[in-house]
Amino acid sequence: EVQLLESGGGLVQPGGSLRLSCAASGFTFSSSAMAWVRQAPGKGLEWVSSISDSGSSTYYGDSVKGRFTISRDNSKNTLYLQMNSLRAEDTAVYYCTHIASRHFDYWGQGTLVTVSS
Amino acid sequence: SALAQPPSASGSPGQSVTISCIGSSSDVGSYNHVSWYQQHPGKAPKLIIYEVNKRPSGVPNRFSGSKSDNTASLTVSGLQVEDEADYYCFSYGGSNNWGVFGGGTKLTVL
Repeated sequence: EVQLLESGGGLVQPGGSLRLSCAASGFTFSSSAMAWVRQAPGKGLEWVSSISDSGSSTYYGDSVKGRFTISRDNSKNTLYLQMNSLRAEDTAVYYCTHIASRHFDYWGQGTLVTVSS
Repeated sequence: SALAQPPSASGSPGQSVTISCIGSSSDVGSYNHVSWYQQHPGKAPKLIIYEVNKRPSGVPNRFSGSKSDNTASLTVSGLQVEDEADYYCFSYGGSNNWGVFGGGTKLTVL
């Protein structure tokens, strides 16, 4: 059974940093592209970032480019999202997702990030 | 920018409803990588259609997808009460603009 377990969310002040983690199990992590998708309270889904199976290719949405960094440790079956220079508009539930071809077939339950003073 | 979806749609049990998703020649029009997601309140999204018209195992065949030019569509036939949820489309957009979601459609089963 595929499991994606996010952690690292919480309350952070504007301008601060946070690192999210996603522990993966139930599939061959090192052969899988992964992504982060977020959802602001009461709003729709927004694709944030994707990473190839090896980590050599990364992609970012315009709203986070230059501030967020996606990475992975295939030896630990873990996906990361380093978030810097956080803004109030980054407040959202962040979902870790498994990419199959160019769609998201498995989702974690999400971790809430709140950016507020 | 986000793909365009109607904010709401509705239908009675047993009826059919179609939700549109309008993109551009850079995303929906260029790739057959359009997917649809169902999200119930407080839950994580669930994949229901991928590659325009394919259904994952376990998704009822009442859900179907199609695409014409820059517009993708999701049709739910034989509406059931449990189909009431938010629906989002997503399109791959190439390496320069990897992906984009639609704004979402709230489906109400009257």
